[in-house]
Amino acid sequence: AQSVSQHNHHVILSEAASLELGCNYSYGGTVNLFWYVQYPGQHLQLLLKYFSGDPLVKGIKGFEAEFIKSKFSFNLRKPSVQWSDTAEYFCAVNGADKLIFGTGTRLQVFP
Amino acid sequence: DADVTQTPRNRITKTGKRIMLECSQTKGHDRMYWYRQDPGLGLRLIYYSFDVKDINKGEISDGYSVSRQAQAKFSLSLESAIPNQTALYFCATSDLGSGSWNEQFFGPGTRLTVL
Repeated sequence: AQSVSQHNHHVILSEAASLELGCNYSYGGTVNLFWYVQYPGQHLQLLLKYFSGDPLVKGIKGFEAEFIKSKFSFNLRKPSVQWSDTAEYFCAVNGADKLIFGTGTRLQVFP
Repeated sequence: DADVTQTPRNRITKTGKRIMLECSQTKGHDRMYWYRQDPGLGLRLIYYSFDVKDINKGEISDGYSVSRQAQAKFSLSLESAIPNQTALYFCATSDLGSGSWNEQFFGPGTRLTVL
C-alpha cells in the first residue's frame, strides 16, 4: 500500500539552527514528491516539488529537499531557520492520481 | 484574489443536522478534492472528482457525499453530522494538463464543529 511517513512529529528549534525533517514513502511507481507548509491559521501552500531530474530541489524561503531513491526518502532541509518558519510541514507523494500525505511535522522556532 | 474559495469558513452545528460545505475555483482546473485534517493524522482524502461526470471515493468517504455542480464547483455534504466529523476541511484543485502533475492548490479551509 502507498504510504508516507514523517517520523518527526514535533520539532523545536532556536532561530539560526539548521533544520532537517524526515520523509519516507512507499510507492512502487514513478514518484512525484511534494512538501507543503501550513502556517498557523492558514491553508496549505507548496514549498517545493520533485518530478524528475536533479534530485536536489530548491523551494521557496530557502528550503530544499533531496530525493534519495535508494532510501525512498525526500527530506526537507533549511540551513538557518527563522521564527517565521513556525508552521506545520507535510510531505506528500503521488499515488494513482491522488496525493498521499504524511501526518505532518509541527515546527516551532523560538527567537 | 483567492483562486480556491470555501464557504463557510467556520460552522458550528448539532448532531444530526445536514451540512453542506462549498468550494469554488477560478483556476480552470478539472480536478477537485475534499480533505479533512485532524491533529496528528494529517490530511485524509474524502472524495475527489476528475471532471463533472467523474466522482470517486477517497479513503474516508463514509458519512459524506459530494456534488460536482460545474467544473468550478464541488460541494461536500454531511447528511447527518456526528461529533467525530469535527475537523478542518480543505478543498483542493489540480490540473493534469499543466505539466505540474498532481500539484494541488488548496482553499483556506472550513472549520466545522459538531456538538
